[in-house]
Amino acid sequence: SQQGEEDPQALSIQEGENATMNCSYKTSINNLQWYRQNSGRGLVHLILIRSNEREKHSGRLRVTLDTSKKSSSLLITASRAADTASYFCATAGDNTDKLIFGTGTRLQVFP
Amino acid sequence: GAGVSQSPRYKVAKRGQDVALRCDPISGHVSLFWYQQALGQGPEFLTYFQNEAQLDKSGLPSDRFFAERPEGSVSTLKIQRTQQEDSAVYLCASSSRLAVYYEQYFGPGTRLTVT
Repeated sequence: SQQGEEDPQALSIQEGENATMNCSYKTSINNLQWYRQNSGRGLVHLILIRSNEREKHSGRLRVTLDTSKKSSSLLITASRAADTASYFCATAGDNTDKLIFGTGTRLQVFP
Repeated sequence: GAGVSQSPRYKVAKRGQDVALRCDPISGHVSLFWYQQALGQGPEFLTYFQNEAQLDKSGLPSDRFFAERPEGSVSTLKIQRTQQEDSAVYLCASSSRLAVYYEQYFGPGTRLTVT
């Protein structure tokens, strides 16, 4: 069974707008990761944030983590049509490398 | 360098047939993972190897599912007597246990359709 819940399930925006997606999880974690999956392709790692970190940036991506609320958010700024994909959060617990994925957010960016 | 590769990319099996799915991880990666992804869902963990040792198989849905990695490199996921509910994309991922972070590198997946 999947641990994470993401919202929204689907998001449609225009190019240049920002996209925010949220993830909630249930148990304690070592780190939380975000992955992108284009239609019919494998997952690509975007960014990892450790449980003792609160915010992290990578290019146009900004991730926040609130362990007290067991939630994370991914912000994509100045979106592009090429950002169209499904985005998944995944958590890794202590003493294990396996990832528990959320249900995903399908992002559509219109040119 | 080469990424994670999986074969076949697509597999159609009749109910009751056995199938074998192959994963070639990134060279030198110690850890190897198998996930199952149903349509419209996130991947779900199946099993995990560190070198040739299968450390966690808690996600395998039934005893019809079997995975091996005999030499600590290539891995095979075998499904016996396939059922329609086994239809899904099977993803393989590898990671370097020596890395500080636990980033996983995913293959393109094998789409299994059981008719």
